[in-house]
Amino acid sequence: GENVEQHPSTLSVQEGDSAVIKCTYSDSASNYFPWYKQELGKRPQLIIDIRSNVGEKKDQRIAVTLNKTAKHFSLHITETQPEDSAVYFCAASNFGNEKLTFGTGTRLTIIP
Amino acid sequence: DAGVTQSPTHLIKTRGQHVTLRCSPISGHKSVSWYQQVLGQGPQFIFQYYEKEERGRGNFPDRFSARQFPNYSSELNVNALLLGDSALYLCASSLFTDTQYFGPGTRLTVL
Repeated sequence: GENVEQHPSTLSVQEGDSAVIKCTYSDSASNYFPWYKQELGKRPQLIIDIRSNVGEKKDQRIAVTLNKTAKHFSLHITETQPEDSAVYFCAASNFGNEKLTFGTGTRLTIIP
Repeated sequence: DAGVTQSPTHLIKTRGQHVTLRCSPISGHKSVSWYQQVLGQGPQFIFQYYEKEERGRGNFPDRFSARQFPNYSSELNVNALLLGDSALYLCASSLFTDTQYFGPGTRLTVL
């Protein structure tokens, strides 16, 4: 089955700087890669996703890149703000399949 | 617009008991997935239902079962509770079997 590795597990960034979180996956059949943000005690919230037919997707301060050959994808957050502090999870699935496989999460702390 | 709703919010049970968790998907969504999230870890897939049929099952024992109703709401049942079943149980809603939106979860504590 699919295995998703995520790093770093914790990341502290000065407000206004950029943050990068990286994930690797094992199943070459995976073609859908969402990112979720989870604040303490709240639901995972979808922030961006990418399908394997594109290499990069951007939404305001958030971008995701995908390298299918290397089987890794990354989340980039620019101009970080205190409200970006949360745990971020990457995930992978075969789009239209039933199962999202999640990474272990990255706790991002934005230092004011 | 209403998002995914789950009930109850919190639940405390003792070992050996049975529990039923409920989920209502986003209006118009036909698929519901269930995940277990242990503290400090990512969600683990339990089940997915689409149009009342089971579409997938994760690596969980037969003590876990689920069903989906004609109105697309869903129940997750866990029998013979163990201490290790303590977790946040998340329901995710999707239009078909694609992009999944999570509910607030049910926090289950087994004593």
